[in-house]
Amino acid sequence: AQTVTQSQPEMSVQEAETVTLSCTYDTSESNYYLFWYKQPPSRQMILVIRQEAYKQQNATENRFSVNFQKAAKSFSLKISDSQLGDTAMYFCAFIPIQGAQKLVFGQGTRLTINP
Amino acid sequence: EAGVAQSPRYKIIEKRQSVAFWCNPISGHATLYWYQQILGQGPKLLIQFQNNGVVDDSQLPKDRFSAERLKGVDSTLKIQPAKLEDSAVYLCASSEGQFLGGYTFGSGTRLTVV
Repeated sequence: AQTVTQSQPEMSVQEAETVTLSCTYDTSESNYYLFWYKQPPSRQMILVIRQEAYKQQNATENRFSVNFQKAAKSFSLKISDSQLGDTAMYFCAFIPIQGAQKLVFGQGTRLTINP
Repeated sequence: EAGVAQSPRYKIIEKRQSVAFWCNPISGHATLYWYQQILGQGPKLLIQFQNNGVVDDSQLPKDRFSAERLKGVDSTLKIQPAKLEDSAVYLCASSEGQFLGGYTFGSGTRLTVV
């Protein structure tokens, strides 16, 4: 069974700082996708960034980038120039390409950006 | 395009009562998912539909939870009878086929059982 672990329940940084959220996962699959989702108080899950496991290049989306270490099964999210609107719960998630395609989430990290 | 619609947004019921949640996925999305998110935890998949057939309901407590997706479009999730531990946010999501571009989530229904 696949598992996703986020070891930081809460993080807090000042506006404009850079922050890195950690995520590790466990799987025997070789092909899969990894995601970071943002969940603001509105509760809707918003896709932040996606990484295909077969791609060595780390994904980037504007201020958001990942550090994907396949051998270590690590997938961290870096937020640069953090903004007040980045305050939210962040979830790391995994889905295999083959077999039972269900999105498995970590426990989440509550990120607070302080003015 | 319109997003995934869910209703109601909030629901408070007493234990042993029944409750139903409704979800309207994005038009054309064949796959629909119901997730349960207990406070402080990540979402957990309850049931996955492909069109109107069930693909995975291994984590659905079938003694009290039921779900259907008539005509492969809207879906309802029912709890009967509710327990205190069912208090959670119930999220609906949809995707094209078997995951091509990702999931789109609704805003969820927050259920409180007292």
